[in-house]
Amino acid sequence: DAKTTQPPSMDCAEGRAANLPCNHSTISGNEYVYWYRQIHSQGPQYIIHGLKNNETNEMASLIITEDRKSSTLILPHATLRDTAVYYCIVRVIGAGGTSYGKLTFGQGTILTVHP
Amino acid sequence: GAVVSQHPSRVICKSGTSVKIECRSLDFQATTMFWYRQFPKKSLMLMATSNEGSKATYEQGVEKDKFLINHASLTLSTLTVTSAQPEDSSFYICSARGQAGGRRTGELFFGEGSRLTVL
Repeated sequence: DAKTTQPPSMDCAEGRAANLPCNHSTISGNEYVYWYRQIHSQGPQYIIHGLKNNETNEMASLIITEDRKSSTLILPHATLRDTAVYYCIVRVIGAGGTSYGKLTFGQGTILTVHP
Repeated sequence: GAVVSQHPSRVICKSGTSVKIECRSLDFQATTMFWYRQFPKKSLMLMATSNEGSKATYEQGVEKDKFLINHASLTLSTLTVTSAQPEDSSFYICSARGQAGGRRTGELFFGEGSRLTVL
């Protein structure tokens, strides 16, 4: 899986949008961009994933650049409960939606949402 | 709700004892489960990949005799920390991958984690 680079920490005011960047300049054509987050002392929680088109779900939006070398996770209206470590991971997904192998976690971004 | 459950969530034991942690997929069959450990303020480190009905594949540097993994059914994998020592104290997390073609095909779901403290 391609390596990702994220800023170690970010702050955001409650109610504002949180924009978390991720660089994945060595991403391959068949690798998806995944985002997970981990709230203190809990297991990671899936947020969103995408290949090349922008994606949106009830939790967040994912913006992937045209060259796919970077992406941004957007939490449109951050709350205090969004304070967590956010991990950007790239991985291969096989045919039929099956995924290959393990998730390799980097250091992630510690997002702190303050009142 | 949770689709992968770990038990126990917390365990404290004396040095030299063995501790078993269970990881269950609740509403899907998981052919593959992964075990991670996490030290305070550090990222998750993959320990091993567990495939149903076969031996686990361990990452480099992980002692297979220390961390015994069993994946006897499509919904249960266990991690046993044998002769636990204080340096084994950590947060252990499992994830399960849905069986191809079945419910929750391919996606990875994580358990809530199990915190082990060895005195």
